[in-house]
Amino acid sequence: KAGVTQTPRYLIKTRGQQVTLSCSPISGHRSVSWYQQTPGQGLQFLFEYFSETQRNKGNFPGRFSGRQFSNSRSEMNVSTLELGDSALYLCASSSVFGGVDTQYFGPGTRLTVL
Amino acid sequence: AQTVTQSQPEMSVQEAETVTLSCTYDTSENNYYLFWYKQPPSRQMILVIRQEAYKQQNATENRFSVNFQKAAKSFSLKISDSQLGDTAMYFCAFMKSSNQGGKLIFGQGTELSVKP
Repeated sequence: KAGVTQTPRYLIKTRGQQVTLSCSPISGHRSVSWYQQTPGQGLQFLFEYFSETQRNKGNFPGRFSGRQFSNSRSEMNVSTLELGDSALYLCASSSVFGGVDTQYFGPGTRLTVL
Repeated sequence: AQTVTQSQPEMSVQEAETVTLSCTYDTSENNYYLFWYKQPPSRQMILVIRQEAYKQQNATENRFSVNFQKAAKSFSLKISDSQLGDTAMYFCAFMKSSNQGGKLIFGQGTELSVKP
């Protein structure tokens, strides 16, 4: 099976702009989660989508939003970008294997905000 | 709230030797899962091993094994016969058991260097 794919791999934006990141899960996986990775804060959970519904949400401002489509592909959007939004954004898809909900990650999108 | 602590920011090991990475966590949950992920310089997060808290037997995956001490809330990773390709950042992660999905809570990571 193909792994989790994320597009684009790199993005450069300026403050105040908005950005949309895309994630295609492993075939058959219905859950998609998003994480932000920064040197200062480490890996932080943004949100999780399952069957087109947000099922879990982390502690991020409303500028961060997401959605999931009927084919399980997911997008996340960040509006009014701030310098602190510069980060590696990781998407993970998951399925329950042997009773364990295991998340498999994509290669990430590196976002730089200037 | 759950927390995960990795007290070793950096470690190094000689090729072919064994190294152990430490992880402790704090939770009031009884049912949960623990994971080790590795993130090489490519930044791709790769699952190394997983452990169900209800299982007393420690998980093993080839050269990787864990020492899971539930009462002590400790979950260390042992890498045997270290290889140059094991050089990476290693993250310990916790997930509460739920039929409503869940989020991974990560530690700060341990940067492992395998030296020839």
